[in-house]
Amino acid sequence: GQNIDQPTEMTATEGAIVQINCTYQTSGFNGLFWYQQHAGEAPTFLSYNVLDGLEEKGRFSSFLSRSKGYSYLLLKELQMKDSASYLCAVRDKGGNTPLVFGKGTRLSVIA
Amino acid sequence: GAGVSQSPSNKVTEKGKDVELRCDPISGHTALYWYRQSLGQGLEFLIYFQGNSAPDKSGLPSDRFSAERTGGSVSTLTIQRTQQEDSAVYLCASSWAGNNQPQHFGDGTRLSIL
Repeated sequence: GQNIDQPTEMTATEGAIVQINCTYQTSGFNGLFWYQQHAGEAPTFLSYNVLDGLEEKGRFSSFLSRSKGYSYLLLKELQMKDSASYLCAVRDKGGNTPLVFGKGTRLSVIA
Repeated sequence: GAGVSQSPSNKVTEKGKDVELRCDPISGHTALYWYRQSLGQGLEFLIYFQGNSAPDKSGLPSDRFSAERTGGSVSTLTIQRTQQEDSAVYLCASSWAGNNQPQHFGDGTRLSIL
């Protein structure tokens, strides 16, 4: 079956760095996506990894290791507005097939 | 430009009634997806369209659920004889063709079955 695991909740301090981990076991692999979802709002796309390594985009970076079935999202210089759920999703088949989502990690940023 | 638009944003209905949810994707996006999200759960895949065809309907929970897409654009998800367990947020997303293309989500329809 398909399984994507992420921590349920995390808390971090404003200005700090936080790493949200995601491990996956899927029948295939054609890329991993991270989304941010504020309460009551639509998920918004943050990053995409298909090759091993680190992708950096401003305060957010995402890392992938395909051999370990592992990814993380790194958020630097945390701001209060970063309080949200972060969803890890894998495309297990090619083309425009649907994503398999984890249950999300609810991040609370405190002063 | 306009994003993915869903209507209604909220729907409250009695058990046993039929409901129809609408999704207007981003213009030109060939792929369209329906997911649902229940409290504390991840996004659960329901069905997706490539153009007007649905290559994968495997996520539809029962034969009470159906969906169609016309003109390669608007899609409707219909739930017949609603049950309380159908209560959830129904999210629609669309994307360009390609492995690396992200899905862009609408704000969802919050469905409550009394």
